[in-house]
Amino acid sequence: DIQMTQSPSSLSASVGDRVTITCRASQSISTFLNWYQQKPGKAPKVLIYGASSLQSGVPSRFSGSGSGTDFTLTISSLQPEDFATYFCQQSYTTPYTFGQGTNLEIK
Amino acid sequence: QVQLQESGPGLVKPSETLSLTCDVSGGSISNYYWTWIRQPPGKGLEWIGYMFYSGSPTYNPSLESRVTISIDMSKNQVSLKLSSVTGADTAVYYCARVQAVAVDDYFDSWGQGTLVTVSS
Repeated sequence: DIQMTQSPSSLSASVGDRVTITCRASQSISTFLNWYQQKPGKAPKVLIYGASSLQSGVPSRFSGSGSGTDFTLTISSLQPEDFATYFCQQSYTTPYTFGQGTNLEIK
Repeated sequence: QVQLQESGPGLVKPSETLSLTCDVSGGSISNYYWTWIRQPPGKGLEWIGYMFYSGSPTYNPSLESRVTISIDMSKNQVSLKLSSVTGADTAVYYCARVQAVAVDDYFDSWGQGTLVTVSS
């Protein structure tokens, strides 16, 4: 299985901050990398697919980059509704696997 | 806008079979892969498997000996069965639609999830 490792596991930030979350794959996955946001008690919601494509309806403050083994999710200016848990997920090969999550908290 | 709704028993006894269904409304099951994903309380996400509406399922090898995913086109339903459950199978179970694009596959629509607790 391809292991996905996110860092940091948790992060405290303030409204307006620029935040970057990193995801590393245990082998090259080209750009088969997706980012999801999950709020407590809710299903995950896709933000970014194909490493850098913004899902329809997602605010442009979210962006993704990377290829191969190293990827980043950036939120350019944190808004109150962005405090949540973020997961990366590879779809290069089955079994699809997720990172352990990054909990973004209000400072 | 497609909507997905999971349903099934919230409590299953150890060694028994967990059975869930996912009703798909607002869109057709045709031409998509459909997947099940689970999340133990307070933990991360685990992909269980997926199935194309007209194909054979693909399962996570870690669960393959116990899992069955099927699709009933007449009911617009996706089903999950997991046999010989233990406490480690306690989780919120989600069904989701797989969106396949040139650059990637991703889960673009999710049900709200249903908590299944394994306990005697």
